[in-house]
Amino acid sequence: AQTVTQSQPEMSVQEAETVTLSCTYDTSESDYYLFWYKQPPSRQMILVIRQEAYKQQNATENRFSVNFQKAAKSFSLKISDSQLGDAAMYFCAYRSVFTTSGTYKYIFGTGTRLKVLA
Amino acid sequence: AAGVIQSPRHLIKEKRETATLKCYPIPRHDTVYWYQQGPGQDPQFLISFYEKMQSDKGSIPDRFSAQQFSDYHSELNMSSLELGDSALYFCASSPRQGSYEQYFGPGTRLTVT
Repeated sequence: AQTVTQSQPEMSVQEAETVTLSCTYDTSESDYYLFWYKQPPSRQMILVIRQEAYKQQNATENRFSVNFQKAAKSFSLKISDSQLGDAAMYFCAYRSVFTTSGTYKYIFGTGTRLKVLA
Repeated sequence: AAGVIQSPRHLIKEKRETATLKCYPIPRHDTVYWYQQGPGQDPQFLISFYEKMQSDKGSIPDRFSAQQFSDYHSELNMSSLELGDSALYFCASSPRQGSYEQYFGPGTRLTVT
């Protein structure tokens, strides 16, 4: 079974600075997808970025980028030029490529609460 | 763009009562997932449906049941509610083919007193 681990329950970053959130996972699968979701106080789950495991190139979305190390099973999120609106809970999630059931459930990490200091 | 709709957004029930949560997926999405997120917890997968058939089952209690209807909306029925059922219940949808990600609804906050 796959597992996702976020070892940082809480992180703080100064506004305009850069912060990196860590995520490690365990799987025996060779192909899969990884995601970072943001959950602000509204509790809405918002997709931040996704990475396909077969792609060596790290995904980037504006100020958000990932450092995907497949061999190490590591998937960290880097937020550059942090803004007050980035303050939220961040969840790392894993999704298999193949399924025997027909659907693809997400496996989430326990989350990292990011505080942005003005 | 249309999003996943969940109703109600908030629900307060007493112990041993029943509750029904509804989810309306994005148009043309045929797959629905239900997740439960307890206070301070990560979302836990409960159950999924594809083309109106139950597809995968996670940590869903026997007191809960769910189904997907012909218009692809889904309902999560919860009976004999317990205090520990208080949580945020997310519905997510995706098209069966060609999408890597799930689109989450705003969630239904269930409080059991």
